[in-house]
Amino acid sequence: KQEVTQIPAALSVPEGENLVLNCSFTDSAIYNLQWFRQDPGKGLTSLLLIQSSQREQTSGRLNASLDKSSGRSTLYIAASQPGDSATYLCAVRLSSNTGKLIFGQGTTLQVKP
Amino acid sequence: DAGVIQSPRHEVTEMGQEVTLRCKPISGHDYLFWYRQTMMRGLELLIYFNNNVPIDDSGMPEDRFSAKMPNASFSTLKIQPSEPRDSAVYFCASSPTGFRISGNTIYFGEGSWLTVV
Repeated sequence: KQEVTQIPAALSVPEGENLVLNCSFTDSAIYNLQWFRQDPGKGLTSLLLIQSSQREQTSGRLNASLDKSSGRSTLYIAASQPGDSATYLCAVRLSSNTGKLIFGQGTTLQVKP
Repeated sequence: DAGVIQSPRHEVTEMGQEVTLRCKPISGHDYLFWYRQTMMRGLELLIYFNNNVPIDDSGMPEDRFSAKMPNASFSTLKIQPSEPRDSAVYFCASSPTGFRISGNTIYFGEGSWLTVV
């Protein structure tokens, strides 16, 4: 059974710091992996999607990497800002035959001014 | 586009009552998902539809839960009878054609916050 783990559960950093969020999954046979952002009281917004054949994806100050063989992904946030404060979730999709996403519990990030 | 629209946003109900949550997906999207989020279990898929047909309902916790999609622009998730352990945030999400092939992204609504007392 695929399990997705995110460590740490919470992280607090000063503004301007570069940071890395971690995601690990137990079964390397995935179709793709996505990172989402969730603001308090809101739904999820997709940030980056990495197909299983890719190693990384970038969007602005965000960079997500994928190492399928080791079952790990990281989300790198450069020059963090208070507006980056949110919960970040990773999710894996097992195959193209299913629309189901399996989510980690998330990392709650606080960026202090 | 207005995005995925869910109603009600908040509901407090008594144990044993019927609860109906509603969702309007983004126009043109042919995949619709119902997820549940709790502190203990995180986000879990309950059921998803493709072209109004249920594809995977293995996440529906028990017979008290049912979901329907009578047309492309409307879906309901019903809990009858409700129990305190059903208290959670219920998210509806939709995806466009090609989601399965190209991995197009998924768009979430803002959720329905359910409290059963």
